[in-house]
Amino acid sequence: NAGVTQTPKFQVLKTGQSMTLQCAQDMNHNSMYWYRQDPGMGLRLIYYSASEGTTDKGEVPNGYNVSRLNKREFSLRLESAAPSQTSVYFCASSDFGRGRPDEQFFGPGTRLTVL
Amino acid sequence: GNSVTQMEGPVTLSEEAFLTINCTYTATGYPSLFWYVQYPGEGLQLLLKATKADDKGSNKGFEATYRKETTSFHLEKGSVQVSDSAVYFCALCFSGGYNKLIFGAGTRLAVHP
Repeated sequence: NAGVTQTPKFQVLKTGQSMTLQCAQDMNHNSMYWYRQDPGMGLRLIYYSASEGTTDKGEVPNGYNVSRLNKREFSLRLESAAPSQTSVYFCASSDFGRGRPDEQFFGPGTRLTVL
Repeated sequence: GNSVTQMEGPVTLSEEAFLTINCTYTATGYPSLFWYVQYPGEGLQLLLKATKADDKGSNKGFEATYRKETTSFHLEKGSVQVSDSAVYFCALCFSGGYNKLIFGAGTRLAVHP
């Protein structure tokens, strides 16, 4: 199993450009998440998808859109990149149910620089 | 609101030293608590968790006890190794909250031979 995969690993954009970060998981998890990691701030949730066909905003959704393409794939789109979106982006998945909170599995991250 | 506060790093230790990384939380309710570890250049991975008060999570020699009275979940290890050098994140999550995690800022640990 590959677990959670993300593409690309690195990306440099100019202000105003758009791009899509791709994420896929092969663990048959129902929930997927996008986080950004900034120095001194830990990880902050951008968007999440509790199940296929649903998406919801997290703590810092402005400037982003997401698509849950199917159960495996969850993409993050920057329509008009800004320097404030320079960050490391992590995708994660988990098998959320009606029981206790459970482990999230993280991808290796995408390092994005916006000039 | 709900939040997690960790001790600031970096924490620098010699091999075989005792490690404590403090974590306290503020929560409206009774969350589950987690420690995640991030090795250089990698994503996060779960180190240990505790789902209710007085539970002790343990893994790879690391331990943390869920203390409701002090709202704390401090990470400890009796003898650290160079391979433990990483960033450690404390996090909380609520049942029914779709497993959304709220993270602390992270604490960088550097262990020297």
